[in-house]
Amino acid sequence: DTGVSQDPRHKITKRGQNVTFRCDPISEHNRLYWYRQTLGQGPEFLTYFQNEAQLEKSRLLSDRFSAERPKGSFSTLEIQRTEQGDSAMYLCASSLVGAGANVLTFGAGSRLTVL
Amino acid sequence: KNEVEQSPQNLTAQEGEFITINCSYSVGISALHWLQQHPGGGIVSLFMLSSGKKKHGRLIATINIQEKHSSLHITASHPRDSAVYICAVIKGAQKLVFGQGTRLTINP
Repeated sequence: DTGVSQDPRHKITKRGQNVTFRCDPISEHNRLYWYRQTLGQGPEFLTYFQNEAQLEKSRLLSDRFSAERPKGSFSTLEIQRTEQGDSAMYLCASSLVGAGANVLTFGAGSRLTVL
Repeated sequence: KNEVEQSPQNLTAQEGEFITINCSYSVGISALHWLQQHPGGGIVSLFMLSSGKKKHGRLIATINIQEKHSSLHITASHPRDSAVYICAVIKGAQKLVFGQGTRLTINP
């Protein structure tokens, strides 16, 4: 296992198009998080999953955003009808939650540019 | 006011200097992460702290739970230490709240 993988690393799209990002976490990790980071800012929480259950969604996650983790392994983040304000780095992280855990590993991120 | 505040926002120093980055938070937490982000790169977790002090190589992280404050120190700084350092606290149900980051530049 080489860590958390995100795909694609960079996506350029026109306003109004849909985009989907994929995150493959570390295989034994039960928690998966999505964050968004804009230039010069720290990451902002979007949502997280415990196994396949989506336990919390930020108010930042408008109805154009949807995230899934259907089998408790990889996750997808879809943005419909993209807007220029959606341009950001989308970061995925995974962790193993349990006794002595809280190890958090980030992916390299997927950078979205909406023209 | 942000729940996690870092200072300074930008720091430029000469190689070899001792570096301190501070993080203050206003919420109850179960633990705190120090993270490193290189330009265009992903985020690497340096430390996770819930009390006391941890050391890894030239990096030292401390936390004072009563004062809601943590510091990251770099001894004998090197240009390769140049990166953004982010403090993130674990609040509630394992949700991370991030500071805005400190951009560190170490000049040769």
